[in-house]
Order: sequence, then structure tokens, then C-alpha cells
Amino acid sequence: GENVEQHPSTLSVQEGDSAVIKCTYSDSASNYFPWYKQELGKGPQLIIDIRSNVGEKKDQRIAVTLNKTAKHFSLHITETQPEDSAVYFCAASMGRDDKIIFGKGTRLHILP
Amino acid sequence: DSGVTQTPKHLITATGQRVTLRCSPRSGDLSVYWYQQSLDQGLQFLIQYYNGEERAKGNILERFSAQQFPDLHSELNLSSLELGDSALYFCASSVATGTYEQYFGPGTRLTVT
Repeated sequence: GENVEQHPSTLSVQEGDSAVIKCTYSDSASNYFPWYKQELGKGPQLIIDIRSNVGEKKDQRIAVTLNKTAKHFSLHITETQPEDSAVYFCAASMGRDDKIIFGKGTRLHILP
Repeated sequence: DSGVTQTPKHLITATGQRVTLRCSPRSGDLSVYWYQQSLDQGLQFLIQYYNGEERAKGNILERFSAQQFPDLHSELNLSSLELGDSALYFCASSVATGTYEQYFGPGTRLTVT
């Protein structure tokens, strides 16, 4: 079955700097890659997603890139702000059975 | 606010007991998904219902069951509870099946003592 690896598990960046979180997936049939942000005491919140027919997608300070050949996808956050501190999860789905397989998460700390 | 509601917010119960968690999807969404989140296992997909029918199954124990009602709300039933069942249980909904965006509720924190 699908397996999603996420790195790093913890990331600290200075406010204003960029943060990059990387994920790899195992099943080449995966075609949908969402990213979720989870703040303490809350449910995961969908922040951006990308489908396999697209290489890059941007939404303000957030961008996601996908390399289908290497089975890698990454989340880029630019000009980080204190409210970006949270746990971020990458995920992959093949669509045919609607399962989303999540990575283990990255705890992002934005340092003042 | 995702529009997905879950009750109760917290639940404390004893081993061997049975509990029911409730989820109401976003207005218009037909699919409901259940996930378990624990510290050591991360977010694990349990089961999905689409328009009242079971659509996909993940790592759901036989002691656990779910259903989706005609008004599209869903319930997750956990029985013969064990200490290891203590976790956050999330419900998510999407408009249909396939690779559609899933929106998560705030979760139910279950503590088994």
C-alpha cells in the first residue's frame, strides 16, 4: 500500500525566513497531494493541494511543488510569521478508494 | 471553522465500555471519513461512507463500527474499549468520492481509563 515519508519532524526558522517541508510517496498511482496545518487543540486544516497533472501551485506565501518522477513533493512557506507555528502534514491519495495516507507531521516553530 | 461538527468534544470512559462519536458533515457534502490520531501512529484513516454506503476501509478494528444516516450525519461506535484506544478521533467530509478536498472537524478526544 501507499506510504508517505515526511521530513523533518521538527523545524525551527527565524521569523521572516522561509521554511521547506519535504515528503516522498511510494505508489506511483497517487494523484492527489494535500497539505494540512494543525494547530494545538484543533483539527487539521487544508491549506493547499496539488494534483499529479501540475508541477507547482502557489497561494500567497505558500507553494507546493511535485516531482512525479522522483515521487517527491514539498511545501514552501515564505516570509514566515508567528501564526505559521503549527504541525504540518503532507498526504497522498490514489483516488480510486478515497484513502488519504498522511505523513507523520512536521512541527514548525517560528522564532522571534 | 470548516463547517464539520463533532460531538462530544471530550469523552472519558472506562475499559470495556462502549461509546458513540457523532459527526455532521459540511452542508452539501456526501462523503464522511473517520480518522484516529494518536501520538505514536499519527493520523490513521479508519473508514469512509458515501451517501449512506460504506465506501472504503482502512485500519479499523473489528470492535469499531460506523454508519451514515439518511440525513448524512455519521456515528462511530467504539466497543470493548482498551487503554490503547485513547486518542483523538476526527471526522472529515468531502463533496463526493474521488480525490476531493477533505475538511476536518475539531475532533473528539477519547480517554479510556
